[in-house]
Order: sequence, then C-alpha cells, then structure tokens
Amino acid sequence: GDSVTQMEGPVTLSEEAFLTINCTYTATGYPSLFWYVQYPGEGLQLLLKATKADDKGSNKGFEATYRKETTSFHLEKGSVQVSDSAVYFCAPSPMDTGRRALTFGSGTRLQVQP
Amino acid sequence: EAQVTQNPRYLITVTGKKLTVTCSQNMNHEYMSWYRQDPGLGLRQIYYSMNVEVTDKGDVPEGYKVSRKEKRNFPLILESPSPNQTSLYFCASSYRLGISNEQFFGPGTRLTVL
Repeated sequence: GDSVTQMEGPVTLSEEAFLTINCTYTATGYPSLFWYVQYPGEGLQLLLKATKADDKGSNKGFEATYRKETTSFHLEKGSVQVSDSAVYFCAPSPMDTGRRALTFGSGTRLQVQP
Repeated sequence: EAQVTQNPRYLITVTGKKLTVTCSQNMNHEYMSWYRQDPGLGLRQIYYSMNVEVTDKGDVPEGYKVSRKEKRNFPLILESPSPNQTSLYFCASSYRLGISNEQFFGPGTRLTVL
C-alpha cells in the first residue's frame, strides 16, 4: 500500500530562517501530492499541491516540487514567520477513483521563535 | 459557506457507553472519511466512503462503525468505547478520489473515554 515518510519534529527555527521539511512516498502509479497544515486547535487545511512530475506547488511563501525520480515532495520556505508555527502533513492522493484509502505522513511540528 | 461540520466538538464519556459523532458536508462531495490523530502517530484513516452505501475500512477500523445513507452525512459510531479510543477525530470529504481533489476537514472532535 501507499506510505509516506516525513522528517520527525519538532523543528524549531528563528523567525526569517529557511525551512525544509522532507517528505518521501511510495505509491501505486503517480499520485497527486499534497501538503496540509494544521494550526493549533484547528482541522487540517490544504497548503499546496502538485498533480504531476516537476510541478511546483506554492502558497503563502511555501513551495514544494514533485520529484518523480526521487519520489519526494519536500516543503520549503525562504523566511518563516511566527505565524507559520503549525503541524505540516504530507499526503499522496491516488490518481484513480477506485476503492482507495488515503495515507498521511506522521506530521512535522514547526515552532518558529521570534 | 462550504464546510465540513462535526458534532460534538468535545466529548467525555465512560467505557462501554455507545456514542455517535456526526459529520456533515454541504459540498455534494462523494468521498468522505474519518481519521484519528494521536501524538507521535500522525493521522490515521479509520473508515472511508466512496459514495452513498459504499464504505470500506481504513488503517485502524477496529472498534468503529460507519454508515453512509445520505451523501452529505457520514456518522462515526463507537458501539462500546474503550480508553484506547481517546483521541482527536477528524471527518473529511472531497469531490471524489482522484487527481487534484483536496480533502476538506472538519474542525475535529476531542473524545475522552474514561
């Protein structure tokens, strides 16, 4: 079945530091790839996505590139803010509409200090 | 407003007392699912439903039941709750499973079983 490996947290950074959260996956075929963010006390919400190889998803200063050759979708941001403190989840989503369960990464907690 | 709603948001109960957590979406989504979130384990799928009257097990279905009699509703039933089901639960929906279809999450239900 599908699986996702995310770097373990917590990741603690100072404001304006560079962020990378690694994500690698195994999946059948070539799934769409998603990053979700969970702010304290809230549900998950979509941060960005990429639907095919070499696509770059971006939102709120975050970016991730779909690397088919390394089956990776690492999340990056050039300058983090305190408001980026949250838990980040990587998730592949299968291409087909057959019966499929979904797999999420274990989540990486980011703490940004002023 | 497009949303996924869950009720209750917080629940404290005792071992063996049947409970139901409701989930409803107003986006005419076909795919719905339930997850539990536990520290160190990330997000794990309990059950999912591809459409009305079509449900299937996720990664951790033991001790849970679901039903999908209407497209908008997907209740989670704990027939005889036990303390190991103390967790944060999320309902989610998407248009259907497939390329670029993001999951929309409810706000979560924090369940404590004493």
